[in-house]
Amino acid sequence: QSVLTQPPSASGTPGQRVTVSCSGSSSNIGSSGVSWYQQLPGTAPKLLIYTNDQRPSGVPDRFSGSKSGSSASLAISGLQSEDEADYYCATWDDSLDGFFFGTGTKVTVL
Amino acid sequence: QVQLVQSDAEVKKPGASVKVSCKASGYTFINYYIHWVRQAPGQGLEWMGIIDPSGGDTRYAQKFQGRVSMTRDTSTSTIYMELSSLRSGDTAVYYCARDRGCSGGSCYHFDFWGQGTLVTVSS
Repeated sequence: QSVLTQPPSASGTPGQRVTVSCSGSSSNIGSSGVSWYQQLPGTAPKLLIYTNDQRPSGVPDRFSGSKSGSSASLAISGLQSEDEADYYCATWDDSLDGFFFGTGTKVTVL
Repeated sequence: QVQLVQSDAEVKKPGASVKVSCKASGYTFINYYIHWVRQAPGQGLEWMGIIDPSGGDTRYAQKFQGRVSMTRDTSTSTIYMELSSLRSGDTAVYYCARDRGCSGGSCYHFDFWGQGTLVTVSS
Protein backbone atom coordinates (compact mmCIF):
# COMPACT_ATOMS: atom_id res chain seq x y z
CA GLN A 1 0.00 0.00 0.00
CA SER A 2 3.02 2.25 0.44
CA VAL A 3 4.13 4.22 -2.61
CA LEU A 4 7.81 3.31 -2.16
CA THR A 5 8.66 0.00 -0.53
CA GLN A 6 11.92 -0.79 1.24
CA PRO A 7 12.96 -3.85 3.25
CA PRO A 8 12.55 -3.18 6.98
CA SER A 9 16.11 -4.20 7.76
CA ALA A 10 19.51 -5.02 6.33
CA SER A 11 22.77 -5.96 8.01
CA GLY A 12 26.40 -6.71 7.44
CA THR A 13 29.75 -7.02 9.17
CA PRO A 14 32.38 -4.27 9.06
CA GLY A 15 33.95 -4.04 5.64
CA GLN A 16 31.11 -5.79 3.85
CA ARG A 17 28.90 -4.35 1.12
CA VAL A 18 25.23 -3.81 1.93
CA THR A 19 22.49 -2.93 -0.54
CA VAL A 20 19.13 -1.32 0.23
CA SER A 21 16.37 -1.54 -2.37
CA CYS A 22 13.49 0.85 -3.07
CA SER A 23 10.59 -0.43 -5.16
CA GLY A 24 8.12 1.91 -6.81
CA SER A 25 6.24 2.27 -10.09
CA SER A 26 6.30 4.00 -13.45
CA SER A 27 4.62 7.07 -11.96
CA ASN A 28 7.33 7.69 -9.38
CA ILE A 29 10.78 6.08 -9.64
CA GLY A 30 10.14 5.29 -13.30
CA SER A 31 9.72 8.95 -14.17
CA SER A 32 11.54 10.98 -11.48
CA GLY A 33 14.94 11.21 -9.87
CA VAL A 34 15.49 9.42 -6.57
CA SER A 35 17.25 10.69 -3.48
CA TRP A 36 18.49 8.80 -0.43
CA TYR A 37 18.70 9.99 3.19
CA GLN A 38 20.52 8.66 6.22
CA GLN A 39 19.02 9.23 9.64
CA LEU A 40 21.14 8.50 12.69
CA PRO A 41 19.23 7.92 15.95
CA GLY A 42 17.78 11.13 17.37
CA THR A 43 19.01 13.34 14.53
CA ALA A 44 17.63 14.98 11.39
CA PRO A 45 17.99 13.13 8.07
CA LYS A 46 21.06 13.77 5.93
CA LEU A 47 21.14 13.82 2.13
CA LEU A 48 23.33 10.98 0.82
CA ILE A 49 22.36 10.71 -2.85
CA TYR A 50 20.34 12.93 -5.20
CA THR A 51 19.19 12.51 -8.81
CA ASN A 52 19.64 8.73 -8.58
CA ASP A 53 23.43 8.57 -8.30
CA GLN A 54 24.89 11.95 -7.40
CA ARG A 55 26.72 12.48 -4.11
CA PRO A 56 26.74 15.87 -2.37
CA SER A 57 30.16 17.12 -1.38
CA GLY A 58 31.31 15.57 1.86
CA VAL A 59 29.49 12.26 1.41
CA PRO A 60 32.02 9.39 1.27
CA ASP A 61 32.25 7.52 -2.03
CA ARG A 62 31.43 4.34 -0.08
CA PHE A 63 27.83 5.37 -0.68
CA SER A 64 26.48 4.93 -4.20
CA GLY A 65 23.04 5.00 -5.80
CA SER A 66 21.53 3.49 -8.90
CA LYS A 67 18.17 3.23 -10.65
CA SER A 68 16.70 0.76 -13.09
CA GLY A 69 13.13 1.00 -14.31
CA SER A 70 10.85 1.48 -11.32
CA SER A 71 13.40 0.43 -8.70
CA ALA A 72 16.36 2.13 -7.07
CA SER A 73 19.17 0.93 -4.85
CA LEU A 74 21.60 2.35 -2.33
CA ALA A 75 24.88 0.49 -1.84
CA ILE A 76 27.19 0.93 1.13
CA SER A 77 30.61 -0.56 0.56
CA GLY A 78 33.24 -1.01 3.26
CA LEU A 79 30.53 -0.95 5.93
CA GLN A 80 31.50 0.91 9.11
CA SER A 81 29.95 1.00 12.57
CA GLU A 82 28.94 4.64 12.07
CA ASP A 83 26.76 3.58 9.11
CA GLU A 84 24.27 2.02 11.50
CA ALA A 85 21.17 4.13 10.83
CA ASP A 86 17.81 4.31 9.08
CA TYR A 87 17.88 4.89 5.33
CA TYR A 88 15.06 6.36 3.24
CA CYS A 89 14.57 6.68 -0.49
CA ALA A 90 12.37 9.49 -1.84
CA THR A 91 10.88 10.76 -5.07
CA TRP A 92 7.95 12.57 -6.70
CA ASP A 93 4.85 10.66 -7.82
CA ASP A 94 3.07 12.05 -10.91
CA SER A 95 -0.15 10.10 -10.38
CA LEU A 96 -0.55 11.06 -6.74
CA ASP A 97 0.84 14.56 -7.36
CA GLY A 98 2.98 14.49 -4.27
CA PHE A 99 6.43 13.77 -2.86
CA PHE A 100 6.96 10.51 -0.99
CA PHE A 101 9.55 8.85 1.18
CA GLY A 102 10.13 5.12 1.24
CA THR A 103 9.14 2.99 4.21
CA GLY A 104 12.70 3.07 5.54
CA THR A 105 15.38 0.45 6.13
CA LYS A 106 17.29 0.00 9.37
CA VAL A 107 20.88 -0.98 8.63
CA THR A 108 22.67 -2.84 11.43
CA VAL A 109 26.40 -3.40 11.61
CA LEU A 110 26.98 -6.80 13.20
CA GLN B 1 27.60 28.01 7.11
CA VAL B 2 24.03 27.15 6.23
CA GLN B 3 21.79 26.82 9.28
CA LEU B 4 18.10 26.23 9.80
CA VAL B 5 17.11 26.83 13.42
CA GLN B 6 13.63 25.81 14.49
CA SER B 7 11.44 26.90 17.37
CA ASP B 8 11.14 24.94 20.61
CA ALA B 9 8.86 22.01 21.38
CA GLU B 10 5.13 22.60 21.77
CA VAL B 11 2.32 20.84 23.61
CA LYS B 12 -1.16 21.44 22.24
CA LYS B 13 -4.67 20.20 22.95
CA PRO B 14 -6.76 18.47 20.28
CA GLY B 15 -8.47 20.98 18.03
CA ALA B 16 -5.87 23.67 18.59
CA SER B 17 -3.33 25.05 16.10
CA VAL B 18 0.45 25.13 16.22
CA LYS B 19 2.88 27.44 14.42
CA VAL B 20 6.48 26.28 14.02
CA SER B 21 9.23 28.61 12.83
CA CYS B 22 12.42 27.94 10.87
CA LYS B 23 15.05 30.70 10.77
CA ALA B 24 17.55 30.45 7.92
CA SER B 25 21.08 31.83 7.85
CA GLY B 26 24.33 31.40 5.93
CA TYR B 27 22.87 31.71 2.43
CA THR B 28 20.62 33.95 0.32
CA PHE B 29 17.20 33.26 1.80
CA ILE B 30 15.07 33.93 -1.28
CA ASN B 31 17.11 31.68 -3.57
CA TYR B 32 16.15 28.30 -2.09
CA TYR B 33 12.76 26.69 -1.56
CA ILE B 34 11.95 25.29 1.88
CA HIS B 35 10.05 22.07 2.61
CA TRP B 36 8.37 20.76 5.74
CA VAL B 37 8.64 17.08 6.64
CA ARG B 38 7.27 15.37 9.72
CA GLN B 39 8.05 12.13 11.55
CA ALA B 40 5.69 10.52 14.03
CA PRO B 41 7.31 8.63 16.94
CA GLY B 42 8.98 5.47 15.64
CA GLN B 43 7.63 6.07 12.14
CA GLY B 44 8.96 7.17 8.75
CA LEU B 45 9.24 10.54 7.06
CA GLU B 46 6.22 12.33 5.60
CA TRP B 47 6.36 15.32 3.22
CA MET B 48 3.97 18.15 4.06
CA GLY B 49 4.66 20.81 1.48
CA ILE B 50 6.96 23.45 0.00
CA ILE B 51 7.21 27.23 0.00
CA ASP B 52 9.09 29.59 -2.30
CA PRO B 53 10.60 32.20 0.03
CA SER B 54 10.90 34.66 -2.84
CA GLY B 55 7.25 35.02 -3.83
CA GLY B 56 5.58 33.04 -1.07
CA ASP B 57 4.04 30.47 -3.45
CA THR B 58 3.18 27.20 -1.75
CA ARG B 59 2.31 23.62 -2.65
CA TYR B 60 0.88 21.29 -0.03
CA ALA B 61 0.55 17.51 0.17
CA GLN B 62 -3.04 16.49 -0.47
CA LYS B 63 -3.27 14.96 3.00
CA PHE B 64 -2.77 18.37 4.63
CA GLN B 65 -4.72 20.58 2.22
CA GLY B 66 -7.00 22.91 4.14
CA ARG B 67 -5.21 22.31 7.42
CA VAL B 68 -1.68 23.57 6.78
CA SER B 69 -0.35 27.01 5.94
CA MET B 70 3.25 27.91 5.11
CA THR B 71 4.35 31.53 5.16
CA ARG B 72 7.59 33.48 5.19
CA ASP B 73 9.04 36.72 6.53
CA THR B 74 11.83 37.89 4.26
CA SER B 75 12.88 40.61 6.72
CA THR B 76 13.95 37.96 9.25
CA SER B 77 14.66 35.05 6.85
CA THR B 78 12.10 32.95 8.67
CA ILE B 79 9.65 30.36 7.40
CA TYR B 80 6.52 29.42 9.34
CA MET B 81 4.38 26.28 9.22
CA GLU B 82 0.97 26.39 10.88
CA LEU B 83 -1.10 23.24 11.30
CA SER B 84 -4.68 23.55 12.52
CA SER B 85 -7.36 21.22 13.92
CA LEU B 86 -4.70 19.17 15.65
CA ARG B 87 -5.37 15.56 16.63
CA SER B 88 -3.31 12.95 18.42
CA GLY B 89 -2.04 11.60 15.10
CA ASP B 90 -0.28 14.92 14.48
CA THR B 91 2.13 14.22 17.35
CA ALA B 92 5.47 14.21 15.57
CA VAL B 93 8.81 15.90 15.05
CA TYR B 94 8.44 18.57 12.38
CA TYR B 95 11.47 19.42 10.23
CA CYS B 96 12.12 22.24 7.79
CA ALA B 97 14.56 21.40 5.00
CA ARG B 98 16.20 23.41 2.24
CA ASP B 99 15.78 22.35 -1.38
CA ARG B 100 19.16 22.28 -3.14
CA GLY B 101 17.54 23.01 -6.50
CA CYS B 102 16.85 20.92 -9.56
CA SER B 103 19.59 18.80 -11.10
CA GLY B 104 19.33 16.88 -14.35
CA GLY B 105 15.61 17.52 -14.42
CA SER B 106 15.19 16.07 -10.94
CA CYS B 107 13.96 18.25 -8.10
CA TYR B 108 13.03 18.08 -4.43
CA HIS B 109 16.36 17.13 -2.85
CA PHE B 110 16.82 18.37 0.71
CA ASP B 111 20.42 19.34 1.46
CA PHE B 112 20.11 21.07 4.85
CA TRP B 113 17.68 20.31 7.65
CA GLY B 114 16.57 22.04 10.81
CA GLN B 115 17.05 20.30 14.15
CA GLY B 116 13.35 19.39 14.36
CA THR B 117 10.51 20.58 16.58
CA LEU B 118 8.51 18.09 18.64
CA VAL B 119 4.80 18.85 18.64
CA THR B 120 2.79 16.83 21.11
CA VAL B 121 -1.00 16.78 20.86
CA SER B 122 -2.60 15.61 24.07
CA SER B 123 -5.67 16.40 26.12
